[in-house]
Amino acid sequence: AQKITQTQPGMFVQEKEAVTLDCTYDTSDPSYGLFWYKQPSSGEMIFLIYQGSYDQQNATEGRYSLNFQKARKSANLVISASQLGDSAMYFCAMRAFIQGAQKLVFGQGTRLTINP
Amino acid sequence: GEEVAQTPKHLVRGEGQKAKLYCAPIKGHSYVFWYQQVLKNEFKFLISFQNENVFDETGMPKERFSAKCLPNSPCSLEIQATKLEDSAVYFCASSPGGGARALPGYTFGSGTRLTVV
Repeated sequence: AQKITQTQPGMFVQEKEAVTLDCTYDTSDPSYGLFWYKQPSSGEMIFLIYQGSYDQQNATEGRYSLNFQKARKSANLVISASQLGDSAMYFCAMRAFIQGAQKLVFGQGTRLTINP
Repeated sequence: GEEVAQTPKHLVRGEGQKAKLYCAPIKGHSYVFWYQQVLKNEFKFLISFQNENVFDETGMPKERFSAKCLPNSPCSLEIQATKLEDSAVYFCASSPGGGARALPGYTFGSGTRLTVV
């Protein structure tokens, strides 16, 4: 079954520290993609970073990097030098092809709070 | 345009009333997806379209929910006889598609918050 697991319901981090948000996935499909989205209190979904299953290098986008460990089926998000504006819900998602149809499968989310 | 436009932003309906939500995908995107998010937590997949054709409707509660994507019109999601448990934020996303190795390019709309009272 295609599944995303985020085991941290909430994280509290001091401003300027780095933070790692955990994500593990389950799929038997050799081709898949992994996403991280940020959802602030205003509710919109903001795309952060993407990692394809065939990508050799870990994805990076500014302060965001994705620690992709294929053998362990994990795709943790690392935010360096956290800022107060990083406080939000973070969702890990996987693009899965289920019965020939593509869809995004989401994890339960992690609420990140950055303390001043 | 380069954004997925969802209307209305907020919708309040009495239990048993009909609700209709709209989504204009990014021009040129072949796929449209509808998701339901309850209490800012998990996203439940409802339905997807490839152009105007239903691609995957495995998440739809078919007895009350229906959806369409007609040419030259916004896509729509309709809930007949709303129930209290339908209260949620409904997100639409569009994607250019292109198969497993294509760049993903999912873009989400800002959502419609449906409140059933």
